[in-house]
Amino acid sequence: DAGITQSPRHKVTETGTPVTLRCHQTENHRYMYWYRQDPGHGLRLIHYSYGVKDTDKGEVSDGYSVSRSKTEDFLLTLESATSSQTSVYFCAIRGGGTDTQYFGPGTRLTVL
Amino acid sequence: GENVGLHLPTLSVQEGDNSIINCAYSNSASDYFIWYKQESGKGPQFIIDIRSNMDKRQGQRVTVLLNKTVKHLSLQIAATQPGDSAVYFCAENISNSGGSNYKLTFGKGTLLTVNP
Repeated sequence: DAGITQSPRHKVTETGTPVTLRCHQTENHRYMYWYRQDPGHGLRLIHYSYGVKDTDKGEVSDGYSVSRSKTEDFLLTLESATSSQTSVYFCAIRGGGTDTQYFGPGTRLTVL
Repeated sequence: GENVGLHLPTLSVQEGDNSIINCAYSNSASDYFIWYKQESGKGPQFIIDIRSNMDKRQGQRVTVLLNKTVKHLSLQIAATQPGDSAVYFCAENISNSGGSNYKLTFGKGTLLTVNP
């Protein structure tokens, strides 16, 4: 357990509504990541952060935005959710001094 | 996630047998590799890692082998137990001239089923 929590753990929403997922860490790690996981695909990087207010896009960033106003929280926002964004979302942190990433428990998002 | 095992290669073994899970990677510049275990409904869990200057690394009941010539990684689990049933996937990191790029590329995984 790398001290990572995600909220909510489950969410059902309707197409066109905004959704924000929260990742919280307790160990002051600099790097944080958001991934989505879908059947038939490996984990795919959406966005990542390398410090407060420092973020960058991953391979599947369209339709997503992120914010990091303090070290411990990394927020993922779907401005207008679509059914293609139905997925399981994982947050990860990069362990201090290593390239290893440790994952949170995930958020299952369903967009109807 | 709960559906992560769909569409994946599968390996079925008997309890007590040894398991070997394979992963091919594509980038010869990759210099750090990780194996993760993911149980249904849970997040990926770190198992073991290896750097490209090594060929083998052992942990508790697990061994990772790296063959850079053919870009192949394997995870061996000794005396497989029902609790080992999960999806296993590899990840690779590519360093650049400035050091790590801080991003991992993940394989799709293999579903391991252990029969009692």
